[in-house]
Amino acid sequence: GIQVEQSPPDLILQEGANSTLRCNFSDSVNNLQWFHQNPWGQLINLFYIPSGTKQNGRLSATTVATERYSLLYISSSQTTDSGVYFCAVRDPLWQAGTALIFGKGTTLSVSS
Amino acid sequence: EAGVTQFPSHSVIEKGQTVTLRCDPISGHDNLYWYRRVMGKEIKFLLHFVKESKQDESGMPNNRFLAERTGGTYSTLKVQPAELEDSGVYFCASSQGLGQSNSYNSPLHFGNGTRLTVT
Repeated sequence: GIQVEQSPPDLILQEGANSTLRCNFSDSVNNLQWFHQNPWGQLINLFYIPSGTKQNGRLSATTVATERYSLLYISSSQTTDSGVYFCAVRDPLWQAGTALIFGKGTTLSVSS
Repeated sequence: EAGVTQFPSHSVIEKGQTVTLRCDPISGHDNLYWYRRVMGKEIKFLLHFVKESKQDESGMPNNRFLAERTGGTYSTLKVQPAELEDSGVYFCASSQGLGQSNSYNSPLHFGNGTRLTVT
């Protein structure tokens, strides 16, 4: 099956810093989503981005499907950005269903 | 539009007891998924319903877990009997089905999860 690798595994930032999180996947995909799991455990959908670039406030994401990677940019980070960021893709060869496969996540800690 | 709703938000039970988690998908979404994140590890797929049918249950860990979706609306996930290693956050997600859009590319919408603690 498809492999999803995220880097870095852990990231520590000072408030106000910028960061880039990366997601590599081993095969072509037709669905890619970025999520943020906040310290309360809730899973927040950030972007649905199988290709191209999207922006939402201080967050933006770019997926280059032909090169099998996606990037999540966080600018002017705030303490509320802390948590785990997950990339998830849908394996087009997974004939049984349409579920997402998650990477192991990047744990972000933003201190004031 | 109401999002995916999960109940309860937290559950603390003793080993050997039974717990039932509930998920109400977004209205009209045919696809319903269960996932879980155990002990800070990866988010793992459990199973996928299309309407009331189990499309894929390859991620169910063992026969102590039983999922149902009677009538193709809400779903329940029962753990009986619960073990310590079942502790974690259980997520439900839904997406549009065939005929509504290209379901293969439809984004999944997740609920806030149920945090299960087995003591």
